Amino acid sequence: DAMVIQNPRYQVTQFGKPVTLSCSQTLNHNVMYWYQQKSSQAPKLLFHYYDKDFNNEADTPDNFQSRRPNTSFCFLDIRSPGLGDAAMYLCATSRPGKEREGREQFFGPGTRLTVL
Amino acid sequence: GDSVTQMEGPVTLSEEAFLTINCTYTATGYPSLFWYVQYPGEGLQLLLKATKADDKGSNKGFEATYRKETTSFHLEKGSVQVSDSAVYFCALRETGGFKTIFGAGTRLFVKA
Repeated sequence: DAMVIQNPRYQVTQFGKPVTLSCSQTLNHNVMYWYQQKSSQAPKLLFHYYDKDFNNEADTPDNFQSRRPNTSFCFLDIRSPGLGDAAMYLCATSRPGKEREGREQFFGPGTRLTVL
Repeated sequence: GDSVTQMEGPVTLSEEAFLTINCTYTATGYPSLFWYVQYPGEGLQLLLKATKADDKGSNKGFEATYRKETTSFHLEKGSVQVSDSAVYFCALRETGGFKTIFGAGTRLFVKA
């Protein structure tokens, strides 16, 4: 089945120790997103890629970086995690499509990050 | 900017009760509208969608109708089950863009 895969599902890191979360997709979608979600709040968009074009949200901290080496993979790097960065991180994809098609997002299962 | 407002939870219902979760939106143009569901410890899943005014999205007994005149997209189900317990997010896809705007989410508890 075509899907969005996130690894690992659970990640524990220490305060200030860099961590990388990964996302892969078999849907061949052009657009990939990273969201941060805390305590079943609405997901907060960090950035998205349309192919190789990177789009950063204005309020995404500099501590968060992303890489997309190819269509299938996207990485979220947190350079110096703080306690406030503990959250669920969700990867999603969509294809541009036509307006009438809706262009919904397809989400991975998420990576829960704990910062000690 | 575009925004989505949905009723606060939690909503607690008994099994087989009728469910309504209200959702209203503010947007320019003609956005597509969605309901996503999130089960504990999982990512979001698309529940249903509607892409133009008066469209009705439906899936697994859930329904929502795109009402442009009232800028609403209320979620309904005639008879809820314990397995419907989850968080429900109303969302819109901005016209001509790639971003999805989510409501705050409504947690639903269904008791046996």
